[in-house]
Amino acid sequence: DGGITQSPKYLFRKEGQNVTLSCEQNLNHDAMYWYRQDPGQGLRLIYYSQIVNDFQKGDIAEGYSVSREKKESFPLTVTSAQKNPTAFYLCASSIAPGRTSSSGNTIYFGEGSWLTVV
Amino acid sequence: GQQVMQIPQYQHVQEGEDFTTYCNSSTTLSNIQWYKQRPGGHPVFLIQLVKSGEVKKQKRLTFQFGEAKKNSSLHITATQTTDVGTYFCAGPRNQGGKLIFGQGTELSVKP
Repeated sequence: DGGITQSPKYLFRKEGQNVTLSCEQNLNHDAMYWYRQDPGQGLRLIYYSQIVNDFQKGDIAEGYSVSREKKESFPLTVTSAQKNPTAFYLCASSIAPGRTSSSGNTIYFGEGSWLTVV
Repeated sequence: GQQVMQIPQYQHVQEGEDFTTYCNSSTTLSNIQWYKQRPGGHPVFLIQLVKSGEVKKQKRLTFQFGEAKKNSSLHITATQTTDVGTYFCAGPRNQGGKLIFGQGTELSVKP
């Protein structure tokens, strides 16, 4: 089945530790995104990538890093610099990056990863 | 900066009652999208509206895009327990086209 696969679904991080969340898509989408979801705050954009080997900061990029070495993969690293990392992380992809009027910016989400600091 | 606001944040209804959530943008949008996130799940695309004043229906759900393309609404007729979840609206940013999401409206339905 085509889709977006995130792993792990649940992850526990110790203070001062970096962790990496995996995101793989087989939809042949060019654009990929990472969102963070906290209760009552909707979805906030962390990083996005419109093409391989290129990515841009979103609204809350501090304390996070990404890479886009392959079209299918967009891993997110939550670094120790992220002071409040406990949240639900959603990876997403879309067909056409940067389109403002077409259906190309419709986003397809993975099932999410729950990260908890212990 | 550009903002997309949704109200209400929470809505509790009795099964069979109607429900409406409203979405307002600080800028004119080229299109607006609606997503539904079930409890414990991930957001799933419902629909996209493009034209000024557009109205689309999906069974008991009615979506409307305002004439000025700055607001939208989702109305559910005769809610069912399967409607439970958080409904998000989203519109493309003025620069770059990436979606900006509203805060969502969490709907709970009492049987």
